Amino acid sequence: GAVVSQHPSRVICKSGTSVKIECRSLDFQATTMFWYRQFPKQSLMLMATSNEGSKATYEQGVEKDKFLINHASLTLSTLTVTSAHPEDSSFYICSAETGQGNNSPLHFGNGTRLTVT
Amino acid sequence: QKEVEQDPGPLSVPEGAIVSLNCTYSNSAFQYFMWYRQYSRKGPELLMYTYSSGNKEDGRFTAQVDKSSKYISLFIRDSQPSDSATYLCAMKETSGSRLTFGEGTQLTVNP
Repeated sequence: GAVVSQHPSRVICKSGTSVKIECRSLDFQATTMFWYRQFPKQSLMLMATSNEGSKATYEQGVEKDKFLINHASLTLSTLTVTSAHPEDSSFYICSAETGQGNNSPLHFGNGTRLTVT
Repeated sequence: QKEVEQDPGPLSVPEGAIVSLNCTYSNSAFQYFMWYRQYSRKGPELLMYTYSSGNKEDGRFTAQVDKSSKYISLFIRDSQPSDSATYLCAMKETSGSRLTFGEGTQLTVNP
């Protein structure tokens, strides 16, 4: 089945530093990847939609200068949390389409737990 | 009103029970329906994917879609302790790939 790999699974950083999270589609080409944020005991909140070769589309209320997204290839998208603060501590999850058009399901990575101290 | 409403739970059942998880939705443009299972500190795992009204069965899992009532369900037969997780319904329109999630139902299957 379709596999999405996310790295790192866990990161602890100091306030003010930047953190990069990678999302890779291992056995398919993903024209579209999605980045979510999830708080404890809550559902996933879509942050942005990433299309290969073009600028990401951010959801309302998500700061694009703080959460930089780069989708440089059909198998890799990155999310960089810039100048991280403790309130950015959260569980970040990516997902990718399998590329079979609009009728394809989305598969998720295993998430990255970010803790900003 | 939320586009997708999911029974919040939590739900606690004995091993071997039949579990019923449900979502309703208001957007008639939703055509594709998914159920995900999420273990603690892990990403959601796709369980079922359906795009037509009716039932779809996969092992102990059955997904049911009723588009006329805007209602979907996931049934788990012979539930196991390893089924203990949060279950998320999700759906999307035909014209795009954006998913809309329910809030999730936490299930505990007691041995």
